[in-house]
Amino acid sequence: SAVISQKPSRDICQRGTSLTIQCQVDSQVTMMFWYRQQPGQSLTLIATANQGSEATYESGFVIDKFPISRPNLTFSTLTVSNMSPEDSSIYLCSVGRGSDQYFGPGTRLLVL
Amino acid sequence: GNSVTQMEGPVTLSEEAFLTINCTYTATGYPSLFWYVQYPGEGLQLLLKATKADDKGSNKGFEATYRKETTSFHLEKGSVQVSDSAVYFCALSDSGGGADGLTFGKGTHLIIQP
Repeated sequence: SAVISQKPSRDICQRGTSLTIQCQVDSQVTMMFWYRQQPGQSLTLIATANQGSEATYESGFVIDKFPISRPNLTFSTLTVSNMSPEDSSIYLCSVGRGSDQYFGPGTRLLVL
Repeated sequence: GNSVTQMEGPVTLSEEAFLTINCTYTATGYPSLFWYVQYPGEGLQLLLKATKADDKGSNKGFEATYRKETTSFHLEKGSVQVSDSAVYFCALSDSGGGADGLTFGKGTHLIIQP
């Protein structure tokens, strides 16, 4: 398995501002992923982040809105930029280990 | 593209009842299939998985069999407990799950009454 932490665990933000979410894993991993879980909905993959390369974004998600950094094999950040109320969601990071994928506890974001 | 369809909830059962949560998928090739569980106030946990046709994943009394002919991966448990109350997500990956993002179903909220 993997021990994954995220900061902050929750936040309330004003529209037009940006929030950076941190994801830390207890040991080195190649693949890290970012997901969004909108209220009452399932998880949707935002992007895949490999260390040393640009993140790969899924359809409907763009780098200007969700810039991602992956400076080393245990850490990644996701920024939600120029937020609107529609960005209110839970944001989760996950890591791939072997054939499995493990999730962090999530960051609950409310945009007013 | 890939998609996962699972039964809508909430599903309410009495303790010791038999549980089935249906999951069907659409994918090219031979995906890996997963069930994740989210207990109240907790994060998403991997419950079980199967990586090829006819494989059976099992954990904590739950089972699911990878049925390629019906593109299904139904979750079953013979006797549920109150502690099984949670949201269950079916998911798939084009590869083994560690190298690709997952496609999730909408989740099924399970409520077990004593």
